[in-house]
Amino acid sequence: NAGVTQTPKFRVLKTGQSMTLLCAQDMNHEYMYWYRQDPGMGLRLIHYSVGEGTTAKGEVPDGYNVSRLKKQNFLLGLESAAPSQTSVYFCASSSPTRTTTEAFFGQGTRLTVV
Amino acid sequence: QQQVKQSPQSLIVQKGGISIINCAYENTAFDYFPWYQQFPGKGPALLIAIRPDVSEKKEGRFTISFNKSAKQFSLHIMDSQPGDSATYFCAASGQGTYKYIFGTGTRLKVLA
Repeated sequence: NAGVTQTPKFRVLKTGQSMTLLCAQDMNHEYMYWYRQDPGMGLRLIHYSVGEGTTAKGEVPDGYNVSRLKKQNFLLGLESAAPSQTSVYFCASSSPTRTTTEAFFGQGTRLTVV
Repeated sequence: QQQVKQSPQSLIVQKGGISIINCAYENTAFDYFPWYQQFPGKGPALLIAIRPDVSEKKEGRFTISFNKSAKQFSLHIMDSQPGDSATYFCAASGQGTYKYIFGTGTRLKVLA
């Protein structure tokens, strides 16, 4: 059982380049999330999705776009990368029940924009 | 805006000691308060969680204390071990959207 898988694990981009981060989950979860983690800032929510075909903005959505065409996949796109987007990106998924809303996280993608 | 405030930023504890990390939240609509543990190079993983209908939850050496009136909750790690050295995040969710708002994290180091 793979859980939440992120691709790629590492990437270096030049300013202005674009890229897509892929998140795949095999737990049939309805909800999926993209977070960025920066030193001293914790985990900040970029975008999230409550179901196939739906997305919503989180705390820090500017400069990012997302798509959820299939229930198991959640894509995060950077159209024109900036050095401020250097970060570690985490994808997570959850399927809330009455007793728990545990989120399962991927291993992260370390992105450097030069 | 920071809706969940976490302290301290870092913590050093001797083996066998008690580690205490505190969090405070603002939004009274939050109804689920998890703690996540993160080891270097890994994603966060759920450690323990509580809902506001109880004041304390204990799982092994880990205890959450919850004070609804003060809008505060804390993680206590009893008999801290070097293997507990990690970054700990508190979080809050609810409001019907299941968004997780995280604290800024506490880097715990337990000395052998």
